[in-house]
Amino acid sequence: AQTVTQSQPEMSVQEAETVTLSCTYDTSESDYYLFWYKQPPSRQMILVIRQEAYKQQNATENRFSVNFQKAAKSFSLKISDSQLGDAAMYFCAYRSGEGGGADGLTFGKGTHLIIQP
Amino acid sequence: EAGVAQSPRYKIIEKRQSVAFWCNPISGHATLYWYQQILGQGPKLLIQFQNNGVVDDSQLPKDRFSAERLKGVDSTLKIQPAKLEDSAVYLCASSLDVGGYSNQPQHFGDGTRLSIL
Repeated sequence: AQTVTQSQPEMSVQEAETVTLSCTYDTSESDYYLFWYKQPPSRQMILVIRQEAYKQQNATENRFSVNFQKAAKSFSLKISDSQLGDAAMYFCAYRSGEGGGADGLTFGKGTHLIIQP
Repeated sequence: EAGVAQSPRYKIIEKRQSVAFWCNPISGHATLYWYQQILGQGPKLLIQFQNNGVVDDSQLPKDRFSAERLKGVDSTLKIQPAKLEDSAVYLCASSLDVGGYSNQPQHFGDGTRLSIL
């Protein structure tokens, strides 16, 4: 079974600065996807960024980028120019790409990101 | 496009009572997921449907939880009888994948917060 570990229960950053959230995972599969989701108090899970395991290039979406280290099974999220609206719970998630249909997400416990004005 | 719709938004019941949650996925999405998110944790997959068939229910407590997806569209999740440890947010998600090789993101609803007294 796959596991996802987020070792930072809470992180705090000054507005406009950069913060990195950590995530490690464990799997024996070679084909998979990794995601970062944001969950504000409204509870809706919002996709921030995704990474296909077969791609060596790190994914980037505007101010959000990842550092994907496949050998180390590490998948960190970097948020540049932090904004007040970035404050939320951030979850790292794993999804199998092996086929067969079963592809529910496995989530970490989350990191609470606080933005200091 | 309309998002994933869930109802009710909140539900309070006493232990040993029954409760049901409803989910309407994004139009055309073949795959539907139910997740349980206990306070302070990441969501955990309960069940995955592909059209109206069950793909994965390995983490569904089948002695008290049941789910169905009639006609491959709407889905209901039921708990009977409820226990105190069932207090959680129940999230529904859908994706465009028919199954097999999953490269489409899951879109989440706002969830139902269940409190057991």
